[in-house]
Amino acid sequence: DAKTTQPTSMDCAEGRAANLPCNHSTISGNEYVYWYRQIHSQGPQYIIHGLKNNETNEMASLIITEDRKSSTLILPHATLRDTAVYYCIVRIATDSWGKLQFGAGTQVVVTP
Amino acid sequence: DADVTQTPRNRITKTGKRIMLECSQTKGHDRMYWYRQDPGLGLQLIYYSFDVKDINKGEISDGYSVSRQAQAKFSLSLESAIPNQTALYFCATSDSDRGGKTQYFGPGTRLLVL
Repeated sequence: DAKTTQPTSMDCAEGRAANLPCNHSTISGNEYVYWYRQIHSQGPQYIIHGLKNNETNEMASLIITEDRKSSTLILPHATLRDTAVYYCIVRIATDSWGKLQFGAGTQVVVTP
Repeated sequence: DADVTQTPRNRITKTGKRIMLECSQTKGHDRMYWYRQDPGLGLQLIYYSFDVKDINKGEISDGYSVSRQAQAKFSLSLESAIPNQTALYFCATSDSDRGGKTQYFGPGTRLLVL
């Protein structure tokens, strides 16, 4: 699986959009971009994933650049409960055994 | 995710004891996983199971064993607990019909080995 690079930490004001960048310059054509988050000591929570096109669900939006070398997770209206470590993971689409490779992630702190 | 439950949530044990951590899911998924997380670090895969008869070792299986009693239940055992197995343990599930790529995690078991 391709390696990802994320900022160590970032702050965001409550009610504002949080934009979390991720670089994956070595991504290959059959690899998806996944985002998970982990609120302190809880189980990781799936957020969203995509291959080429931008994706949106009830939690967030995922913007993938045309060359697929980077992506941005957008939390449209951050709340205090969005404070967590956010993980960007790149996984091969045909990976049958399903292992997730978690890196260090980005610690997001949402402030009032 | 309330669909994946783990028991116990917290456990303190002594070196040399055998303990079992249990995981149950109501999502109907066929794949189940056990991970451990050490403070400030990412998750490491211990064992994974694609169905009741298919169990595989992950990155760090030494000192651990598993049992898939049914599609909905996957237990992790520490044969003889040692202090460096003190960690947060997570169970996860995924659905092979969807490529198995999205995993859903339980709330975790915090284990302290004295």
